[in-house]
Amino acid sequence: DAGVIQSPRHEVTEMGQEVTLRCKPISGHDYLFWYRQTMMRGLELLIYFNNNVPIDDSGMPEDRFSAKMPNASFSTLKIQPSEPRDSAVYFCASSNLGVGLYEQFFGPGTRLTVL
Amino acid sequence: LAKTTQPISMDSYEGQEVNITCSHNNIATNDYITWYQQFPSQGPRFIIQGYKTKVTNEVASLFIPADRKSSTLSLPRVSLSDTAVYYCLVVDYGQNFVFGPGTRLSVLP
Repeated sequence: DAGVIQSPRHEVTEMGQEVTLRCKPISGHDYLFWYRQTMMRGLELLIYFNNNVPIDDSGMPEDRFSAKMPNASFSTLKIQPSEPRDSAVYFCASSNLGVGLYEQFFGPGTRLTVL
Repeated sequence: LAKTTQPISMDSYEGQEVNITCSHNNIATNDYITWYQQFPSQGPRFIIQGYKTKVTNEVASLFIPADRKSSTLSLPRVSLSDTAVYYCLVVDYGQNFVFGPGTRLSVLP
């Protein structure tokens, strides 16, 4: 298996633009997580899905952030409009309840820079 | 949210045993405590997971006291390649996933 795949790996955009981050989880995994990592705040859980259904989005910072999981093999995290304070590394992770709920497999991350 | 604390950084020499402790209050009584390792420009990688007492796998041991207010990750005989940031992950009573602030381990030759 190729592991969790994220695209793009790097994104540079200007304030006010829409940004879409993409994730393909490991096949067969039931859970998908989106995290944000910054020096100031560390790793923060934004939202997670179980069987394509959002379970907890309390970590989503504002209405500018939205996430979808239209099927078991694809998820997006969208920021509209983007702001400089959204600059961070965004990780997607997936896990399978059968092997331990919290053994999450992380993707390589998307480094977002908003100018 | 549960509050977690870890030492910001630690230094060690090759071949030594390293113990990193995470303090966590208000964690759910029936959820696991998990530790992750992160190298620069990579996502975190699972190391070990436990519920109570002691768990050991091929790379580490995890010690969890009965009150579960802390956990200690033990890395036996570290090498230069163990230089990384180590995070604990807990779940609190609100079912929130909370990563610790991370401990930057530097292994020196």
